[in-house]
Amino acid sequence: EIVMTQSPASLSVSPGERVTLSCRASQSVTSKLAWFQQKPGQAPRLLIYGASTRATGIPARFSGSGSGAEFTLTISSLQSEDFAVYYCQQYNNWPLTFGGGTKVEIK
Amino acid sequence: EVQLVESGGGLVQPGESLRLSCAASGFTFSSYPITWVRQAPGKGLEWVSAINGGGYNTYYADSVKGRFTISRDNSKNTLYLQMNSLRAEDTAVYYCAQTGISYYYMDVWGKGTAVTVSS
Repeated sequence: EIVMTQSPASLSVSPGERVTLSCRASQSVTSKLAWFQQKPGQAPRLLIYGASTRATGIPARFSGSGSGAEFTLTISSLQSEDFAVYYCQQYNNWPLTFGGGTKVEIK
Repeated sequence: EVQLVESGGGLVQPGESLRLSCAASGFTFSSYPITWVRQAPGKGLEWVSAINGGGYNTYYADSVKGRFTISRDNSKNTLYLQMNSLRAEDTAVYYCAQTGISYYYMDVWGKGTAVTVSS
């Protein structure tokens, strides 16, 4: 099973700041990596797939990068609606696996 | 608009069974794999099971293999998850999600249905 490790577990950020979240796989997942955003009481929402392709309707301030085993989600200028938990997920191998999440909180 | 609506959750005792359903609309259901993902209270996301568009390839997490069965009725645009021998650790919100047509990332999610296993 591929283990996905996200860091940091949480961070406090001020609106307008640039945020970089990390996701590391225990082995290569090529570019088969997705990012999700989840707000309290809501279902997750797909942000990025293929490591760097934004899903439909996702603002350009969200960008993904990386390949192999190291990935990054960047939010260029954090908006109030972006405070949430972010998860990465690999779909290169079975079983599909998620990272433990990064909680982005208001500073 | 793609929509997925889960139903069938509830409170059951350990060892009992439950069948979840996921009604889909707004897309060609038979063309897309669908997955089940769960989230225990206060915890992260855990992939549970997946099925391809035709229904002949199924995949399971080790934690549910042998106890859960995923299936779909493409004539009814509905996905199912038969859950047997339920345990307390199966307590979670269960989401169904449409995946990419060729790759198993979760594209569109339902709102989820809650399952509680407790005596």
